[in-house]
Amino acid sequence: TQLLEQSPQFLSIQEGENLTVYCNSSSVFSSLQWYRQEPGEGPVLLVTVVTGGEVKKLKRLTFQFGDARKDSSLHITAAQPGDTGLYLCAVNSGGSNYKLTFGKGTLLTVNP
Amino acid sequence: DADVTQTPRNRITKTGKRIMLECSQTKGHDRMYWYRQDPGLGLRLIYYSFDVKDINKGEISDGYSVSRQAQAKFSLSLESAIPNQTALYFCATRASGSPDTQYFGPGTRLTVL
Repeated sequence: TQLLEQSPQFLSIQEGENLTVYCNSSSVFSSLQWYRQEPGEGPVLLVTVVTGGEVKKLKRLTFQFGDARKDSSLHITAAQPGDTGLYLCAVNSGGSNYKLTFGKGTLLTVNP
Repeated sequence: DADVTQTPRNRITKTGKRIMLECSQTKGHDRMYWYRQDPGLGLRLIYYSFDVKDINKGEISDGYSVSRQAQAKFSLSLESAIPNQTALYFCATRASGSPDTQYFGPGTRLTVL
């Protein structure tokens, strides 16, 4: 069973549209991270959410951590071609022996 | 210059060959990780190291070995490569006791024929 379920797996939209992607689990986490990976590069951390119900904004990206700390969403407003990439959520699954477990990701394509 | 570098960036090899992938970092971090990425499977942890004398298996360590030659260097070896080890391989680093940020290298694309 996958620890983190991301949906949708693929998303193709036109420039200017809004979108939301999801990261869900049946487990409770102390924190959750979102990474973006562009073609030919490694993942880059976008945000860490820690508190249940927390909302963080990064320009046109809004991240929310569920009240029960089991799920998270990423909302992009007025998507641009530069937002194209693989969006990954990740949690620490090792406790004090910190190690990340990733979801399978949402591959977003924003067409001009 | 990039903080986390990986060599080679691309490699094509044959079944049964021994392959070494290298990772170097200039961030001064003590923790280093190796992941593989396959389409539809996301990133999976192969091995990780918390310092030069500490090596730990991840979720998919079979068929792989690692060496932490120095704090800044962490290499991944495939002793006898097989086709299902064809994947993208990423090295990452993290500073202990810091905000939970991992810094990834640019990846190595490995093809085993």
